[in-house]
Amino acid sequence: AQSVTQLGSHVSVSEGALVLLRCNYSSSVPPYLFWYVQYPNQGLQLLLKYTSAATLVKGINGFEAEFKKSETSFHLTKPSAHMSDAAEYFCAVAEYGNKLVFGAGTILRVKS
Amino acid sequence: DAGVIQSPRHEVTEMGQEVTLRCKPISGHNSLFWYRQTMMRGLELLIYFNNNVPIDDSGMPEDRFSAKMPNASFSTLKIQPSEPRDSAVYFCASTRLDRRTEAFFGQGTRLTVV
Repeated sequence: AQSVTQLGSHVSVSEGALVLLRCNYSSSVPPYLFWYVQYPNQGLQLLLKYTSAATLVKGINGFEAEFKKSETSFHLTKPSAHMSDAAEYFCAVAEYGNKLVFGAGTILRVKS
Repeated sequence: DAGVIQSPRHEVTEMGQEVTLRCKPISGHNSLFWYRQTMMRGLELLIYFNNNVPIDDSGMPEDRFSAKMPNASFSTLKIQPSEPRDSAVYFCASTRLDRRTEAFFGQGTRLTVV
């Protein structure tokens, strides 16, 4: 069965510092992988997705993620954090049939 | 496109009452998901439909929960009777089945059962 593990329920970085949010997946077939962001009192919004094309995926707001099959990882990065990046981030995996399974989420705090 | 539309945005009800949450997916999407989000359990997939047919309802917590999708443009999630532990934010999401693309989420319904 597919699953996602996000390491670190809370991550705190200083404004301008590198953001690294970790995600490892388990899937019996080549997965489709996603990162979503959720701002307070809002729904989830897609940041980026991996669909078996390029392993380095660029998303909105300067975020990117690299698919590493050997490590079963799909970590999310951003070179320089901005205050507006403070939110909760979810990694998700989808197999055939479109069933999306989410990780537990990581709350990103950005300090000024 | 207006996106996925959920109603109501907020619902406060008394324990034992019936609650119905509604979702209108994006036009042209043929997969629909219901999720529940709580602090303790995070995002849980309750049930999903492909072409209006329930595919996997293993996440539905109890028989008190039921979901229907009578047509491609409407789905309901019903809780009867409701209990305080059902308090959560319920999200609906939709996507295109044939493209294995991302799901688009509604704004959610915040349910409080007192």
